[in-house]
Amino acid sequence: GDSVTQMEGPVTLSEEAFLTINCTYTATGYPSLFWYVQYPGEGLQLLLKATKADDKGSNKGFEATYRKETTSFHLEKGSVQVSDSAVYFCALRSRSGNTGKLIFGQGTTLQVKP
Amino acid sequence: ETGVTQTPRHLVMGMTNKKSLKCEQHLGHNAMYWYKQSAKKPLELMFVYNFKEQTENNSVPSRFSPECPNSSHLFLHLHTLQPEDSALYLCASSQEVGSGNTIYFGEGSWLTVV
Repeated sequence: GDSVTQMEGPVTLSEEAFLTINCTYTATGYPSLFWYVQYPGEGLQLLLKATKADDKGSNKGFEATYRKETTSFHLEKGSVQVSDSAVYFCALRSRSGNTGKLIFGQGTTLQVKP
Repeated sequence: ETGVTQTPRHLVMGMTNKKSLKCEQHLGHNAMYWYKQSAKKPLELMFVYNFKEQTENNSVPSRFSPECPNSSHLFLHLHTLQPEDSALYLCASSQEVGSGNTIYFGEGSWLTVV
């Protein structure tokens, strides 16, 4: 079945460091891909998305490119801030079956220190 | 404001209690979802409703009973829960069921079963 694998956390960085959170997926066909962020004590917020190969999603300085050849959707940011500390979830929605099911990775906790 | 509002934000209930979680979306969407987020587990889809009709039940125990009276409201009725049901319950919505539609989440209801 479809699945999403994220790098294990927590990831601890100093402010202004470069961030990469790896995400790879397994799916039949060409899913849509998403990054969601969950700040402490809150629900999930959509961070960015890409719906087809080579699309780049971007928002708030974060970027991720849909790489079909490597089945990846790695999240990057050039300079993180303390306020970026949160849990980041990679997710996919399959085009087959049209059930609307979002399949999530296990989440990666990011801690940014001043 | 996320456009998806959940109440209550926090709920403590005994195993013999009956309670309900409420979700309302102000986005004009036609699909609504319940997800469960437990500690150290990936987010799990519980139910999907599309145009008020349930389209997916992800093998959820009958002690969880969803209700969707209209496209804007979704309830999760809780009865004789177990301590392991303690989790964050997230409501979400999208324009329609389908991979091209972005899913928007509420802030969640923290449930503790004692």
